[in-house]
Amino acid sequence: DAGVIQSPRHEVTEMGQEVTLRCKPISGHDYLFWYRQTMMRGLELLIYFNNNVPIDDSGMPEDRFSAKMPNASFSTLKIQPSEPRDSAVYFCASSAPREGDTQYFGPGTRLTVL
Amino acid sequence: QQPVQSPQAVILREGEDAVINCSSSKALYSVHWYRQKHGEAPVFLMILLKGGEQKGHEKISASFNEKKQQSSLYLTASQLSYSGTYFCGTEGDAGNMLTFGGGTRLMVKP
Repeated sequence: DAGVIQSPRHEVTEMGQEVTLRCKPISGHDYLFWYRQTMMRGLELLIYFNNNVPIDDSGMPEDRFSAKMPNASFSTLKIQPSEPRDSAVYFCASSAPREGDTQYFGPGTRLTVL
Repeated sequence: QQPVQSPQAVILREGEDAVINCSSSKALYSVHWYRQKHGEAPVFLMILLKGGEQKGHEKISASFNEKKQQSSLYLTASQLSYSGTYFCGTEGDAGNMLTFGGGTRLMVKP
């Protein structure tokens, strides 16, 4: 398997612009997670899905953040409008209970908001 | 609540041993250990389920003390490739949601 795929790998945008991050989980995995990593706050869980349904979005910082999973092989995390403090590395991860809930991380998207 | 990792950073010489601790304020179902190298994604090392089991992977092993709500990661005869930041992720019950600690930065020098 190709592993978790994320795009783009790097994104530079200006404050106020809309940003969309994309993730393709490992085929057959039931769970998908979105994390944000910064030096100050470490690795934070933003939201996770089970079978395409959002289960817990308590980590989503503000209404400017939204996430969707229209099917089992694709998810998006959208920030609208973006702000400089959103600059971070965003990781997507997927897991399956039959694999002991091990989470496999994608390579991440490094977002810079100017 | 976020588990607490200690130490925050450690520097070793090749061949030395290290222990990284992870403590939680709540009962745990499982503890997951990951290693992240600079500029890369976290990579899974091992998972420990409640029951006090110990696991090993080459010269890296871990224990889980359910009663004390803590886990320790043991690195034996460290190699340069062990350098990176180690994270523990804890699961309060079998719900798939992990809460990660702040990380322990490990540097192994020749």
